[in-house]
Amino acid sequence: GESVGLHLPTLSVQEGDNSIINCAYSNSASDYFIWYKQESGKGPQFIIDIRSNMDKRQGQRVTVLLNKTVKHLSLQIAATQPGDSAVYFCAEAGKTGGFKTIFGAGTRLFVKA
Amino acid sequence: EAGVTQFPSHSVIEKGQTVTLRCDPISGHDNLYWYRRVMGKEIKFLLHFVKESKQDESGMPNNRFLAERTGGTYSTLKVQPAELEDSGVYFCASSQDGQITDTQYFGPGTRLTVL
Repeated sequence: GESVGLHLPTLSVQEGDNSIINCAYSNSASDYFIWYKQESGKGPQFIIDIRSNMDKRQGQRVTVLLNKTVKHLSLQIAATQPGDSAVYFCAEAGKTGGFKTIFGAGTRLFVKA
Repeated sequence: EAGVTQFPSHSVIEKGQTVTLRCDPISGHDNLYWYRRVMGKEIKFLLHFVKESKQDESGMPNNRFLAERTGGTYSTLKVQPAELEDSGVYFCASSQDGQITDTQYFGPGTRLTVL
């Protein structure tokens, strides 16, 4: 397994509050974006995705927003719970990248009870 | 249904030695990917198999790394000889269809430490 990195950007929120995790992606040709959650000792786990022809997509307690103009992606978690504590990675993929998924550096989310 | 499994979970070797990592994808998944995360940096793509064929190996760092997937089931990633900068966590993922939008399921990773 893996322990998360020591120098990640960190977001600390109170249980029950909403969390917003931001990500800047690099390739303007990317047309598919994914958010992953990685808990300690586990591999990344798919949370939600969005295609480039959309600007918002909602899941259960999570919403992803895409702003292609500024190449920005965000993940909103409603009513954050202690079980949401993890490292969150945004990732991008597109035709020019083939089947490669390009990951961002990750953000550590701490949820205070 | 069993998820993606990786073996070993940890490996500590000395510089110059050889290490072989194994990945067992989800049964029926033709697509298998290797990634690695070194020293807390971002997770980086290494290569992609479709069955036993290498679809994309553009992320392999150098010829000390050799990935195989004989028979199109499990895959191995060999590092020979290992260098200090190879230390990190090696993830394997698998997907069913191999489309960009197809969900990749990740294993727990193998932590490799090269001393």
